[in-house]
Amino acid sequence: SQQGEEDPQALSIQEGENATMNCSYKTSINNLQWYRQNSGRGLVHLILIRSNEREKHSGRLRVTLDTSKKSSSLLITASRAADTASYFCATDSGGSNYKLTFGKGTLLTVNP
Amino acid sequence: GAGVSQSPSNKVTEKGKDVELRCDPISGHTALYWYRQSLGQGLEFLIYFQGNSAPDKSGLPSDRFSAERTGGSVSTLTIQRTQQEDSAVYLCASSQMTGATEAFFGQGTRLTVV
Repeated sequence: SQQGEEDPQALSIQEGENATMNCSYKTSINNLQWYRQNSGRGLVHLILIRSNEREKHSGRLRVTLDTSKKSSSLLITASRAADTASYFCATDSGGSNYKLTFGKGTLLTVNP
Repeated sequence: GAGVSQSPSNKVTEKGKDVELRCDPISGHTALYWYRQSLGQGLEFLIYFQGNSAPDKSGLPSDRFSAERTGGSVSTLTIQRTQQEDSAVYLCASSQMTGATEAFFGQGTRLTVV
């Protein structure tokens, strides 16, 4: 079963606009991560936010976490055509279990 | 190695044949994951090796699927008597178990069962 559920499933925007993707999860987490996938192959880690953090930035990426709502958002500012990819959130439960469970992803298309 | 390596990158097999997919994780990474991804879909968890603990096999879809990890390093995912519905990209990832669980992915093996 999948822990995370991203929405929207697909998002199409123009270059320069901001893109916001959301992730909801069901059970308590230790960490939440966002990954990017190009062309249906290997995923690349973007950013990790811990359960005791509320916001994190990395370059044009901003991630928020609301543990009371069991949700996270990924904001990409000033999008570029090269940002076109699928974006996935992943969670782990911590403790002695670091198994990563992924959502179904959001397909982002940035039009030049 | 520099990254997670998977082989082969592509595999076409006839229905009913057995296949073995290989994953070489990053040296020193004690956690290793196998996922399956069908076209346009999310990642389906298959199996998780965590250090010397018993692997979490809860995601294996049937008893035709098995995986092992020898010496805490290389892992092999075996699919016996392949079916057309097994066609997918099989992704392997590894990570350290230090609390920061960033996973590093290989480029996957695209399996096509004809």
